[in-house]
Amino acid sequence: NAGVTQTPKFRILKIGQSMTLQCAQDMNHNYMYWYRQDPGMGLKLIYYSVGAGITDKGEVPNGYNVSRSTTEDFPLRLELAAPSQTSVYFCASSYPSGFTQYFGPGTRLTVL
Amino acid sequence: QQQVKQSPQSLIVQKGGISIINCAYENTAFDYFPWYQQFPGKGPALLIAIRPDVSEKKEGRFTISFNKSAKQFSLHIMDSQPGDSATYFCAASFPLKETSGSRLTFGEGTQLTVNP
Repeated sequence: NAGVTQTPKFRILKIGQSMTLQCAQDMNHNYMYWYRQDPGMGLKLIYYSVGAGITDKGEVPNGYNVSRSTTEDFPLRLELAAPSQTSVYFCASSYPSGFTQYFGPGTRLTVL
Repeated sequence: QQQVKQSPQSLIVQKGGISIINCAYENTAFDYFPWYQQFPGKGPALLIAIRPDVSEKKEGRFTISFNKSAKQFSLHIMDSQPGDSATYFCAASFPLKETSGSRLTFGEGTQLTVNP
């Protein structure tokens, strides 16, 4: 099993550009999550999904969008990138009893 | 209040010493309290977790102490080793009303360095 995979590993965007961060899991988990990690701030939940076709906002959803068309994939879309979105982004997945979350390796995004 | 407060922000310990990281919370609806460990360049991984009806849980050199009345819990790493150098996050799980699942809220993280 590959677990949770994320692409790309690194990306530099210019202000105003858009991009999609890809996330896939092969553990047949219903629940998937997107977090951002900033120094000294911990992990902040951006969006989560409890199954295909069902998504909901987390703590910091502004500037992001998600979709969940399959159990395996949960892409995160950044529209009109801003410097405040410079961060490391982690995707995670879990079974419904979600205190055990499995994290991907992260995407380091810089917006200049 | 869905926050978990973690301290210290950074910690330096000598090899063989005890590392202690503390967390506090307000929301009594939290139903699990996990700790995650993150090595540089990697995603966090579950280390150990405790339910609020248990006062202590031990797994090897790692122990969670839980004080329900004070709404505090802590991670103790006994006989700390250089390989334990990582960032540690406490977290709290709370149930989602509309499903049978739950979600996590994380503390700010503690960067632990164990010197040889």
